[in-house]
Amino acid sequence: SAVISQKPSRDICQRGTSLTIQCQVDSQVTMMFWYRQQPGQSLTLIATANQGSEATYESGFVIDKFPISRPNLTFSTLTVSNMSPEDSSIYLCSVPRTGSANYGYTFGSGTRLTVV
Amino acid sequence: KQEVTQIPAALSVPEGENLVLNCSFTDSAIYNLQWFRQDPGKGLTSLLLIQSSQREQTSGRLNASLDKSSGRSTLYIAASQPGDSATYLCAVLTGGGNKLTFGTGTQLKVEL
Repeated sequence: SAVISQKPSRDICQRGTSLTIQCQVDSQVTMMFWYRQQPGQSLTLIATANQGSEATYESGFVIDKFPISRPNLTFSTLTVSNMSPEDSSIYLCSVPRTGSANYGYTFGSGTRLTVV
Repeated sequence: KQEVTQIPAALSVPEGENLVLNCSFTDSAIYNLQWFRQDPGKGLTSLLLIQSSQREQTSGRLNASLDKSSGRSTLYIAASQPGDSATYLCAVLTGGGNKLTFGTGTQLKVEL
């Protein structure tokens, strides 16, 4: 199944700044997914990143706050912009394990973000 | 809108006990259900995947069952060990086959 390398693994950032999180997959995938996990909560889908088109955002998430790039079929970035303490969360990327959602999903190791 | 609930929210057991974690979902039109393990501050590790047409899957000491019509899944852990301590999440695939909806999680602690 696909293997994801996600970085950074953690960061502490000042409010008002931006952080870009990277995910590199060892195989080509059509769709990549970005999730947020707030402290003590489960995962919430932020957006679906499609290569060659704009990302599709879920309700409550906007492109200005969470811009996403998908330059090719193995790489994506998520930027958390103009950060506030409420953005402190674990951010994770995900892809289908074998190119099809029928076989489940695999996740990156997560980025633990603390905004101070 | 799909909603996924896990019971209990937290569980503490002595080493060696067999235990059951529960997952329920409101919309039975799922493609599959996946159980994950998450260690504190880390990403997710996939444990088991059950297709909508299947009733159970086994991997080592883990057994997951699915009753799609009643909207329920259970994860059975046999002979629990301290290394099993983690948060366990279930997730269902619905909505055109691409969207995962996660449960609220069960935080498990296995004590010596």
